[in-house]
Amino acid sequence: NAGVTQTPKFRILKIGQSMTLQCTQDMNHNYMYWYRQDPGMGLKLIYYSVGAGITDKGEVPNGYNVSRSTTEDFPLRLELAAPSQTSVYFCASSYSRQGRYQETQYFGPGTRLLVL
Amino acid sequence: QKEVEQNSGPLSVPEGAIASLNCTYSDRGSQSFFWYRQYSGKSPELIMSIYSNGDKEDGRFTAQLNKASQYVSLLIRDSQPSDSATYLCAVRGNNRLAFGKGNQVVVIP
Repeated sequence: NAGVTQTPKFRILKIGQSMTLQCTQDMNHNYMYWYRQDPGMGLKLIYYSVGAGITDKGEVPNGYNVSRSTTEDFPLRLELAAPSQTSVYFCASSYSRQGRYQETQYFGPGTRLLVL
Repeated sequence: QKEVEQNSGPLSVPEGAIASLNCTYSDRGSQSFFWYRQYSGKSPELIMSIYSNGDKEDGRFTAQLNKASQYVSLLIRDSQPSDSATYLCAVRGNNRLAFGKGNQVVVIP
């Protein structure tokens, strides 16, 4: 199993450009997450999904969009990139069953984004 | 009040000593607590989970949970240079984890 994979590893965007960060997991996990991590800070949840076709906002969703058409893929779309979106983006997945809270989140290697 | 707080600055410990990390959380109803380790430039990886009051040991790591005080801690015994990393405390809320900003640990040979 490859686990959670993310592409690209690094990208430079100009202000106002758009891009999609790709995330794929091969563990048949139902939950998937997008986080951003700014230097010296913890992880902030952008969006999450509890299954195909279901997404919800996290703490910092503004400027981002997501979709979940399959169990495996959870792309993150940045529209009109801004310098404040310079960060490292992590995708994660986990398996959760209703009423059972023991879960481990598995993280991808991250995408480093620089907006100039 | 932040959901999860880790207030200590960088922690330097001699090799072989005990590193102690602390975390407090605001949601009294939280049930699941995690410690993730993150090496510089890498993604977080889970090292400990704890769900009940008391201590949980796994190798050189011990997690301690006190729900009444809303307090979680991590002890690293016999610290090794390979333990040098940032340790993130995470608390599970409604369908998501809330993370603290992390504590950097530097083990000095």
